[in-house]
Amino acid sequence: QLQLQESGPGLVKPSETLSLTCTVSGGSIRSSSYYWGWIRQPPGKGLEWIATIYHSGSTYYNPSLKSRVTISVDTSKNQFSLKLNSVTAADTAVYYCARLISGSYYDYWGQGTLVTVSS
Amino acid sequence: DIQLTQSPSFLSASVGDRVTITCRASQGINSYLAWYQQKPGKAPKLLVYAASTLQSGVPSTFSGSGSGTEFTLTISSLQPEDFAAYYCQQLYSYPLTFGGGTKVEIK
Repeated sequence: QLQLQESGPGLVKPSETLSLTCTVSGGSIRSSSYYWGWIRQPPGKGLEWIATIYHSGSTYYNPSLKSRVTISVDTSKNQFSLKLNSVTAADTAVYYCARLISGSYYDYWGQGTLVTVSS
Repeated sequence: DIQLTQSPSFLSASVGDRVTITCRASQGINSYLAWYQQKPGKAPKLLVYAASTLQSGVPSTFSGSGSGTEFTLTISSLQPEDFAAYYCQQLYSYPLTFGGGTKVEIK
């Protein structure tokens, strides 16, 4: 059974960089059928797509965040990561990693990790 | 960017009711639409993909329909475990976008 697990600090100071890692177990991140991505959800609000990556390194970013976001993949560790710089309180959210069937759906999700931006 | 407008944003219903949620896209997306259910404190769960294909293990009380710009998610007989938030998502083009959500609560 595929599992995804987010990890990273739960508290980040304003203007600093939010860094999260998603560890994939029970399957290979190198599979040709899948993409991998990050989605976030501010408290009490809806879902926002952040970024998607293929194991080859091809990336797609939300234009509203593109100047601040980097998604990367480490196939040797079966992990992919998110960096969001210059964070503000508006970046406080539950961050989910998920597997994407391109053009179809997100079928496996991590449990989510709450990141709070506060001094 | 393709905008998805869900309606209603809030719905109060009783067990056994038939419920319909609508998702309208700002431009045609063929059938590249998925529906998710989310319960408090949990990750979203895939219900329907390709607008009308039920994900394995999802009860047959759920169904999806539509293509182009208008889509619906129908729950034919609402069960206690169905009270949750529902989101549509378009996967036609980047940036991927979600609808604003519909919260289904017990009347």
